[in-house]
Amino acid sequence: DIQMTQSPSTLSASVGDRVTITCRASQSINSWLAWYQQKPGKAPKLLIYKASSLQSGVPSRFSGSGSGTEFTLTISSLQPDDFATYYCQHYNNYMYTFGQGTNLEIK
Amino acid sequence: QVQLVQSGAEVKKPGASVKVSCKASGYTFTGYYIQWVRQAPGQGLEWMAWVNPNSGGTNYAQKFQGRITMTWDTSIRTAYMELSSLTSNDTAVYYCARLIKLFGSSDTWGQGTLVTVSS
Repeated sequence: DIQMTQSPSTLSASVGDRVTITCRASQSINSWLAWYQQKPGKAPKLLIYKASSLQSGVPSRFSGSGSGTEFTLTISSLQPDDFATYYCQHYNNYMYTFGQGTNLEIK
Repeated sequence: QVQLVQSGAEVKKPGASVKVSCKASGYTFTGYYIQWVRQAPGQGLEWMAWVNPNSGGTNYAQKFQGRITMTWDTSIRTAYMELSSLTSNDTAVYYCARLIKLFGSSDTWGQGTLVTVSS
C-alpha cells in the first residue's frame, strides 16, 4: 500500500503569514491528491483536487502544487478563519488514503 | 442544493453491529460514488470504503474486509454502511461523502454520525 506522510504535524503561524504543508507519497500517485480543511466538530471541506485545482468557492489564497510523490498546500496570507486541521488524501488503484493531518494553530 | 444527511448517534455494545445511513439530495444519486470515512476521538481521518450505487462496485480498506457491508436503495437515494463485530476501537464519528471519481475527491460530506461502543 502507498503511504502518505504529511508534515509538519503542527504548524504555528500568525495572521498574514504564508504557510506550506507537505504531503509525500511512498510511490508515485501522479496527480491524484486532494486537500481538505477540517474544523473541530465539523466535516472536512474540500479545498484542492487533482493536486492543484481549486474547488469552487474556496478563496484564492489557497493553492496546491506537485505531482508524483511530493505535494504542497500553500496558504498565501493566513486569515483568522484558516486556523484548522488540514489533510491530504490520495487515490491510487481503487484505494484512498489520508495523511496524518497538520494542525495549523495561532502563534 | 447538494446535501448528504446521515442518521443519528448510536451506542452499541462490543460485538454488536451498527448501520449508518446517508441520504442524498440535490443530485443524481447513481451518478456519483459514496465514500465512508471515520474519525476516532482526537484522531485523524481514516478511509474505509467506497460504493458505486450505479454499478454496485465497492472497495474496502483491507482492515475492514469481512466486517463492513455497503448497501444502498436508489428509490430513496440512501446509502448504508454496516460495521460488525464492534470493539471500543470502532468508537468514532463516521462520515459519508459524495465522491467525484474523475477527481478522486469528495465535494460534499454528511454531518457525521457518532458511534460509541461501550459495555
